[in-house]
Amino acid sequence: DQQVKQNSPSLSVQEGRISILNCDYTNSMFDYFLWYKKYPAEGPTFLISISSIKDKNEDGRFTVFLNKSAKHLSLHIVPSQPGDSAVYFCAASAYSGAGSYQLTFGKGTKLSVIP
Amino acid sequence: DAGVTQSPTHLIKTRGQHVTLRCSPISGHKSVSWYQQVLGQGPQFIFQYYEKEERGRGNFPDRFSARQFPNYSSELNVNALLLGDSALYLCASSLDWSAYNEQFFGPGTRLTVL
Repeated sequence: DQQVKQNSPSLSVQEGRISILNCDYTNSMFDYFLWYKKYPAEGPTFLISISSIKDKNEDGRFTVFLNKSAKHLSLHIVPSQPGDSAVYFCAASAYSGAGSYQLTFGKGTKLSVIP
Repeated sequence: DAGVTQSPTHLIKTRGQHVTLRCSPISGHKSVSWYQQVLGQGPQFIFQYYEKEERGRGNFPDRFSARQFPNYSSELNVNALLLGDSALYLCASSLDWSAYNEQFFGPGTRLTVL
């Protein structure tokens, strides 16, 4: 049973426009959410995160929104650039006991920004 | 500063064999986590180690084991390989076990089981 879902496998956006990537989760114990970007042949790179006590976090062109009641978060990229083309993973963290946090990842969304 | 390094980059094994994957964390990082990423899926948590002790284990069979050394490097071992073990194995390091929001990933080891 997938606890973190990214229902759009791919997304194409024109350069300069907004990219919106969505993520849904089912586990109410998740208390921290992260977005990672992954280029081919590289490991995932941390992009932006948000604590469950907040509903918005911004970092430059990237903004993450969290709607706890809907168990939904989204990543907005404005303006989108060709270099943003990558696979984006949504991840959620929960304390698993015995001094450990576990990250649960979605399947990823492949973003293509068209020049 | 060097990032997280993993070796080997690629590996081909046959069913039933054993494999050892290696990870060197970022200098100063004491926690290492391992993830399995099957094609078309997101990374799935396997283990977390901190100060040479296992702190967390994902839903993987006992064929998977790991350890962390005094220099904080880590090995992931998989016994009796199955075709389904073919995947990208990612290692991530962080300063300590609670720094879940600051995990740095290596490039991964691509394991193919024939």
